[in-house]
Amino acid sequence: EPEVTQTPSHQVTQMGQEVILRCVPISNHLYFYWYRQILGQKVEFLVSFYNNEISEKSEIFDDQFSVERPDGSNFTLKIRSTKLEDSAMYFCASRRSSFNPIQPQHFGDGTRLSIL
Amino acid sequence: DQQVKQNSPSLSVQEGRISILNCDYTNSMFDYFLWYKKYPAEGPTFLISISSIKDKNEDGRFTVFLNKSAKHLSLHIVPSQPGDSAVYFCAASRTGANNLFFGTGTRLTVIP
Repeated sequence: EPEVTQTPSHQVTQMGQEVILRCVPISNHLYFYWYRQILGQKVEFLVSFYNNEISEKSEIFDDQFSVERPDGSNFTLKIRSTKLEDSAMYFCASRRSSFNPIQPQHFGDGTRLSIL
Repeated sequence: DQQVKQNSPSLSVQEGRISILNCDYTNSMFDYFLWYKKYPAEGPTFLISISSIKDKNEDGRFTVFLNKSAKHLSLHIVPSQPGDSAVYFCAASRTGANNLFFGTGTRLTVIP
């Protein structure tokens, strides 16, 4: 069964450094998402992306964050200058279509980001 | 932001019995609800969903019930199996919006 893949599985970065998290969504999916889960808290929506542009973003997704689909397969999340509070598990998800509402988002296994 | 709530952080059930996981929501605009299962070191795996035009959806051992007036949904697993032991997340969204709102999860332990 096709799946969303994320790399790396664990990223350790010094505070203030830039980090790029990578995702390969399911190949025929059109909608792409990033979520994060801080330890002990709920999964929170960051951003959705469709047709090469952001379609929705949360308050968490401030100017330090950006997303890109540089080619036909990868979907990346960049954090420009990391802060300690950015430490979390970051999940990528994709969905085939939004026209039928009963299309679930499929998640990758996540990247654990640790900011030192 | 407590739009989706799972008030039971954990649940233990004997193998073969029914597991009932509960979820409440506050936003009446939500019209699509999902349950995800999550094992350690893995991402959430989609389990079952329900649209607000239905009050029940069944898939094998899993059934989701939706009570719109009470803003409550539940996931029934019967019979429960040890492999069902995981954290279960309830999620909700509304038509036209892309994001999912998640509950805090319920850790289900099925005892052999």
